[in-house]
Amino acid sequence: NAGVMQNPRHLVRRRGQEARLRCSPMKGHSHVYWYRQLPEEGLKFMVYLQKENIIDESGMPKERFSAEFPKEGPSILRIQQVVRGDSAAYFCASSPPGQGGEKLFFGSGTQLSVL
Amino acid sequence: GESVGLHLPTLSVQEGDNSIINCAYSNSASDYFIWYKQESGKGPQFIIDIRSNMDKRQGQRVTVLLNKTVKHLSLQIAATQPGDSAVYFCAEARATNKLIFGTGTLLAVQP
Repeated sequence: NAGVMQNPRHLVRRRGQEARLRCSPMKGHSHVYWYRQLPEEGLKFMVYLQKENIIDESGMPKERFSAEFPKEGPSILRIQQVVRGDSAAYFCASSPPGQGGEKLFFGSGTQLSVL
Repeated sequence: GESVGLHLPTLSVQEGDNSIINCAYSNSASDYFIWYKQESGKGPQFIIDIRSNMDKRQGQRVTVLLNKTVKHLSLQIAATQPGDSAVYFCAEARATNKLIFGTGTLLAVQP
């Protein structure tokens, strides 16, 4: 029973490039959450999605960031025209249908480094 | 503003001793709290949770205490082991499905 799978584990981009982070939830989970973690800080909520729907994107920056969770395939967090301040660990979590944000199952994260 | 924060950024304990990690929260309307453990290079791992209608909950070697009067919760780890070395986060869960995480405490277990 595979857990939440994120790839790539490490992603290096130059300023102005695009970053695509992928997340496959646990089997049977239809809720996906994205969090960002800066060094020596806690995780900050970004967005909550269900299949084909964005439920809460209140933590997403207004520009350059977008997220999707299509009917088929992984959830994608997309960052356009990356800047150095985007460097962080991005974690995805999933939960089963009918459960809220508690008891999330987290992936191992994608470490984004912007040069 | 709202926040969930930790008193001690680093805690060093001897193997076999008990550990206590503290957390303060500011929103008295919060009704659900979770402790997570994060090892280096990994995502947070659920340890134990507690609802606001409780003041204590026990798991295997771990106990969470909630003091709503002073808006404080703590995580107690009995007989701390080297494998317990990690960063520990408290988090506040709300009806909107967002978790509000604290900054974290690094627990270092000395052999």
